[in-house]
Amino acid sequence: AQKVTQAQTEISVVEKEDVTLDCVYETRDTTYYLFWYKQPPSGELVFLIRRNSFDEQNEISGRYSWNFQKSTSSFNFTITASQVVDSAVYRCALNSNSGYALNFGKGTSLLVTP
Amino acid sequence: DTAVSQTPKYLVTQMGNDKSIKCEQNLGHDTMYWYKQDSKKFLKIMFSYNNKELIINETVPNRFSPKSPDKAHLNLHINSLELGDSAVYFCASSQYLNTEAFFGQGTRLTVV
Repeated sequence: AQKVTQAQTEISVVEKEDVTLDCVYETRDTTYYLFWYKQPPSGELVFLIRRNSFDEQNEISGRYSWNFQKSTSSFNFTITASQVVDSAVYRCALNSNSGYALNFGKGTSLLVTP
Repeated sequence: DTAVSQTPKYLVTQMGNDKSIKCEQNLGHDTMYWYKQDSKKFLKIMFSYNNKELIINETVPNRFSPKSPDKAHLNLHINSLELGDSAVYFCASSQYLNTEAFFGQGTRLTVV
């Protein structure tokens, strides 16, 4: 069975603070794929990143960075110097070679206030 | 051009009616999906359609049926609508089963 846990339901930060969103996953497969999506208040789902299980290299894209650690089954997402436009629900997801679709966590709602 | 488009964006209908939501992707992807986002904002897979193979989440009632006239389209038909079917339905597509999915803007279905 596959499972994604995003223990943080809601996070509120003040603009320019750094914030880390946690994602812990469970799978019995040795080959799997991890994803992050952003869902702003307008409702659409925006793809942010995909990471393969055999690639533990961390990723940085502008103010966004991702920390993948197989030893702790975690794929955490950090926003540096947060901005109001970062306010959204962020969803972590998992798929594997034995799966047939993205399996999403419950999401973390991030509110960035001025 | 919108990569994954679904229509209508809003759908209000009475209990017992039959309705359809259309989805089209112009990305040339092989796989399409339907997801349901309920009132608690949980996002759950309903169907996956890959190379004419349909994979169904066993929790989905058989009143829901996907229909794919061609690789670029995956429509969702819902029979005998119930109040509990009210949700936002998202269509998505991906190149393969384990690659990132791109989502449509969602269809908010309200059953009254």
